[in-house]
Amino acid sequence: EVQLVESGGGLVKPGGCLRLSCAASGFTFSDAWMSWVRQAPGKGLEWVGRIKTKADGGTADYAAPVEGRFTISRDDSDNTLYLHMNSLKTEDTAVYYCATGLMGVWGKGSTVTVSS
Amino acid sequence: DVVMTQSPLSLPVTLGQPASISCRSSQSLVYSDGNTYLNWFQQRPGQSPRRLISKASNRDSGVPDRFSGSGSGTDFTLKISRVEAEDAGVYYCMQGTHWPGTFGQGTKVEIK
Repeated sequence: EVQLVESGGGLVKPGGCLRLSCAASGFTFSDAWMSWVRQAPGKGLEWVGRIKTKADGGTADYAAPVEGRFTISRDDSDNTLYLHMNSLKTEDTAVYYCATGLMGVWGKGSTVTVSS
Repeated sequence: DVVMTQSPLSLPVTLGQPASISCRSSQSLVYSDGNTYLNWFQQRPGQSPRRLISKASNRDSGVPDRFSGSGSGTDFTLKISRVEAEDAGVYYCMQGTHWPGTFGQGTKVEIK
């Protein structure tokens, strides 16, 4: 069964940092582009960024609101996707989902709250 | 960024009746490879989004055949042939043709 499990969320002060993890199983992780999508409380969905496979260059692309503050990385040996979040703002408060590149599979999400 | 506009934003439906949601993009969603990367998602209360339709009209495995997607270019539609109670939730269209991918505002389907 294809599965994605996020972890690492929590409460952090503005300006702080946090790292989310997404453990993948049930498919060949190294062959999959992966994405992070977030959903602010009571709001819609927003694509945060994506990372390509090593075979496709391994580079990551980011949405404008997080460019320069967030970094996506992957560890294919451990089947894990990461989202490193720095300089967090209150508007980054959201549930963060990892998803396979074409959005066919989603995790259950990890909640990040940025508040003083 | 490509703007995705859904209508209606709220859709009360009667059990057993059809339902239709429209999604329009500000640019053509035809990619250079000839594919149209338009997805539809369902999000039930308290759950993660679930993809129903990919490439405008390809139903995902396990999705009931009462769901269908159609359209091309900039105009797309999600149809539910006969609404069931489990279909309540918010439906989103999303384009993956142009970076960054963008979602519609969501359409809340409520069972009357």
